[in-house]
Amino acid sequence: RKEVEQDPGPFNVPEGATVAFNCTYSNSASQSFFWYRQDCRKEPKLLMSVYSSGNEDGRFTAQLNRASQYISLLIRDSKLSDSATYLCVVNTSGGYQKVTFGIGTKLQVIP
Amino acid sequence: NAGVMQNPRHLVRRRGQEARLRCSPMKGHSHVYWYRQLPEEGLKFMVYLQKENIIDESGMPKERFSAEFPKEGPSILRIQQVVRGDSAAYFCASSPSEGDGYTFGSGTRLTVV
Repeated sequence: RKEVEQDPGPFNVPEGATVAFNCTYSNSASQSFFWYRQDCRKEPKLLMSVYSSGNEDGRFTAQLNRASQYISLLIRDSKLSDSATYLCVVNTSGGYQKVTFGIGTKLQVIP
Repeated sequence: NAGVMQNPRHLVRRRGQEARLRCSPMKGHSHVYWYRQLPEEGLKFMVYLQKENIIDESGMPKERFSAEFPKEGPSILRIQQVVRGDSAAYFCASSPSEGDGYTFGSGTRLTVV
């Protein structure tokens, strides 16, 4: 089983729609969680950290479910500019706090 | 604050040549990570370094690849005797401490012809 698993998509959604991505992780001792965004042929950029109580940043909401070992990202009122690949990132323990990236979920927002 | 600086942005090498990729971490960051990304694939961890130390090189191919982060100067990822399969985007990231969110450089796109 992969340490971090994501559905690669693509998710094709109309502008204005709400879309949600899930990501599962295998190590129950994982401590920190992040969502990154990567545009085509660009570097990944930190979108938001994910806190146990859930957190919101504008149209983006991130949640953590430790019992089921998954994190989610919800995007409301999708914009064309949201089209990108969204990477789930988990800080796993193993000698040092290693950060592991998921393969990413590709989102395409359609006019 | 200049961010993570990688150079060159694009590098073309013939098969059998050496490729040297450089990464200067953000100011105040002492942890450097190298990742490789093949077209349409995810980021693959290669190596994690701190100043003068390799912490984890479990993602590095056993041959031809090496990395260093000297006391002075940038981190270097070195690929000897490149082959076509080495063509990829190589990203460097840095963080202020272990496990923090990373800041990535813009990457070096290596093409082996």
